[in-house]
Parts: sequence; structure tokens; C-alpha cells
Amino acid sequence: DTGVSQDPRHKITKRGQNVTFRCDPISEHNRLYWYRQTLGQGPEFLTYFQNEAQLEKSRLLSDRFSAERPKGSFSTLEIQRTEQGDSAMYLCASSLQGAEETQYFGPGTRLLVL
Amino acid sequence: GEDVEQSLFLSVREGDSSVINCTYTDSSSTYLYWYKQEPGAGLQLLTYIFSNMDMKQDQRLTVLLNKKDKHLSLRIADTQTGDSAIYFCAEGESDYKLSFGAGTTVTVRA
Repeated sequence: DTGVSQDPRHKITKRGQNVTFRCDPISEHNRLYWYRQTLGQGPEFLTYFQNEAQLEKSRLLSDRFSAERPKGSFSTLEIQRTEQGDSAMYLCASSLQGAEETQYFGPGTRLLVL
Repeated sequence: GEDVEQSLFLSVREGDSSVINCTYTDSSSTYLYWYKQEPGAGLQLLTYIFSNMDMKQDQRLTVLLNKKDKHLSLRIADTQTGDSAIYFCAEGESDYKLSFGAGTTVTVRA
């Protein structure tokens, strides 16, 4: 297994456009998380899935953001009508529910909104 | 996150030990973690400690936990140039959400 993968690695878009990011977790992991990291800060929790169910959403996740995990494997994060303040690194992580909830992170998608 | 605090910078000479400190606020945290991030990359899990432990050692890494003071530290022995990175402390606020500090930038000088 190659770990958590994310696509694309970089995205430049114009304000007002929609963007979609994809995350492929470690294959046996049933939990998947999205975080956002801005420059000089640590990652901030956005949302998480257990299998296909989205169980928690942060107040940081405005109604322009939507995340899905339709088959309990890969996940997508869509941002509609992007704003310059959405520019950040979007990180995906996965874990296996159990005694040690260790989250493994992907390389991230860096978004720049012009 | 505002619940986890770290010093922002640490400069260390190659071959010396590095000590990165972290304080957290959630006494119910089950696990505490250290992640490493190199420029432009995602987060690499370095080590973690269960909240009922005081110390954990893993090769060059030693984690110390003072639960009473809510203080966590990471010691890197024999620091190498490849250890230059940003180190994040994180607490598991629940069984699904991690709360991160702002990161400590470690610079290793020759």
C-alpha cells in the first residue's frame, strides 16, 4: 500500500470558480478526515467520515464546501464559488477505527485562488 | 489550534539534542502525537503516546508526557540536517478529531 494519496497536488483557480479535490485513503482504513492548513498554522479539522457516513463537520466548513465518500473508499471535497480566503493546503488523513486512532496524512492539495 | 501551544522556532547544532515543547488544554485527550512536515509536503507521523504513559522511546525520539501540567515534549537525539522541518504537536480531542499546535520550525546548523 502506498499510503494516502491526493489529487491534484496543486490547483490555481480564479475567484468564483468551483474546485474539487480527491483523496484516496489507505485501503483498509474506514475513517477519513479532511483538514485545512493555512500558512504558518497547524492543520484545522474540517470534517470526517466513518465508512460512507459523514459524522462531523466543523463550523469552518461553510455551505460552499461539500464533502462526499459515496462508497466508503475515496472522498471528494468540493468548494463552490471559491474566495481568496479559501487559499490553503487541504489535507486528507485516514485511520482504522480501533484502539489506536492513528491518522496518516496524504501529501495535500495546495489551492491558490486568484 | 488555540488549545495546543508550541514555541515557534528552535535552532540546534548538528549532533546536539533537540527538545520541542508543547502544552495542551484538553485533559480528556487519549493520545498525543508528534508529526513532522517538510516544505510543501504533508504531515508524517513521528510518534504518539497514550495518555496513561509518562515516556515513550523510539530510536532517536523520546516523548515525555506530564499529564498533571499538560506538557508534552519531543527529544531528538543526535540531530541531523534531515531533521530540519516543522514539528507539530497534536492532541486527540475525541476519537476522530485532532487539534494541532502552530508548529515549531527546527533549523539544524552545521
